[in-house]
Amino acid sequence: DAKTTQPNSMESNEEEPVHLPCNHSTISGTDYIHWYRQLPSQGPEYVIHGLTSNVNNRMASLAIAEDRKSSTLILHRATLRDAAVYYCILRDPYGGSQGNLIFGKGTKLSVKP
Amino acid sequence: DAGITQSPRHKVTETGTPVTLRCHQTENHRYMYWYRQDPGHGLRLIHYSYGVKDTDKGEVSDGYSVSRSKTEDFLLTLESATSSQTSVYFCAISEPAGGMGVETQYFGPGTRLLVL
Repeated sequence: DAKTTQPNSMESNEEEPVHLPCNHSTISGTDYIHWYRQLPSQGPEYVIHGLTSNVNNRMASLAIAEDRKSSTLILHRATLRDAAVYYCILRDPYGGSQGNLIFGKGTKLSVKP
Repeated sequence: DAGITQSPRHKVTETGTPVTLRCHQTENHRYMYWYRQDPGHGLRLIHYSYGVKDTDKGEVSDGYSVSRSKTEDFLLTLESATSSQTSVYFCAISEPAGGMGVETQYFGPGTRLLVL
């Protein structure tokens, strides 16, 4: 699976939008872009995923660059509960090893009241 | 929340003793996974299972074995615990996407293991 690069940490103010970047310059045509987050002392939880088009769900939006070499997770209004480590993961569903996810170090998001 | 429980949630043991961690799911998902998480690292895959009695090794499988005799239970065993196996262990489950792309993994609350 291709590698991703994320900033180690970011800060945001409560109720402001947050844009979390992810670079994946070696992404293959069949790699899906996944985002998971891990709240303190909890297991990771799924946030969103996409392939080529931008995606929206109740938690966040995913903006994917036209060349797919980067993507941005957008939290429209950060809350204190959004403080977590956010992981950007590439996964090829046809690449074997079933649903294995390869987690990097992620971006630690801090939200200030 | 997906119905995933892990037991025990915390355990302290001594080097050289066997330890078994249990993951139990009520979602009837086919795939199950064991990960470990250490400070400064993301999660790393230890073993995974495609179904009953069908398991395979992950990235960091040395020193660990697994068993899955029922769909709902996935056991992780440390045959002889070492201090390097002190970690937080997470279980996850997923269901094959069946040509619909990729599946979502759902994680348990974790087990904190300290090996003295």
